[in-house]
Amino acid sequence: DGGITQSPKYLFRKEGQNVTLSCEQNLNHDAMYWYRQDPGQGLRLIYYSQIVNDFQKGDIAEGYSVSREKKESFPLTVTSAQKNPTAFYLCATRQTSTDTQYFGPGTRLTVL
Amino acid sequence: SQQGEEDPQALSIQEGENATMNCSYKTSINNLQWYRQNSGRGLVHLILIRSNEREKHSGRLRVTLDTSKKSSSLLITASRAADTASYFCATDSVDSSYKLIFGSGTRLLVRP
Repeated sequence: DGGITQSPKYLFRKEGQNVTLSCEQNLNHDAMYWYRQDPGQGLRLIYYSQIVNDFQKGDIAEGYSVSREKKESFPLTVTSAQKNPTAFYLCATRQTSTDTQYFGPGTRLTVL
Repeated sequence: SQQGEEDPQALSIQEGENATMNCSYKTSINNLQWYRQNSGRGLVHLILIRSNEREKHSGRLRVTLDTSKKSSSLLITASRAADTASYFCATDSVDSSYKLIFGSGTRLLVRP
């Protein structure tokens, strides 16, 4: 998991609520990513940011929003518009010199 | 969209045996990466192989890449019970702006 922290580890949300997942890194990496993982599946890209104050939609951005005001932080908001938000959410950074992505420990979101 | 597809989906072997997992992908790539995920945890980077490389080694891991067949394999030699995990390949396509696309993974069980 290295220098990437995600909080909380577990999150419970009622239908209709927005929730924000935190991702912080101390690796000094410019690029950061948010992925969603459903049971028994691979990861799907939600949003990514190559540099501060800039971000792009991934393959499944609908119902999610992000901000990138600081290099160290890339929070993900799961809005009430996301139809099926129960999943495991993983944040990652990319080391430019090696193209390697490093992952945080994840946040498991459950909608009650 | 799923770029890489792993084969087999599940593999059960005895401790000490070798484990081979395969990954196929669809588009031209810059590199292919293999990751390990223990249950409920984040992903751990294992090895990255670039499109101009054919084979790489790291400890008990050996990765091959055949760009003409758009496939890669991960070999774990002398497996241990601690190798029990899910293994994912991820491709960084030439037109993807450093976005990784993951397969659905191989679940490896190493029996003591």
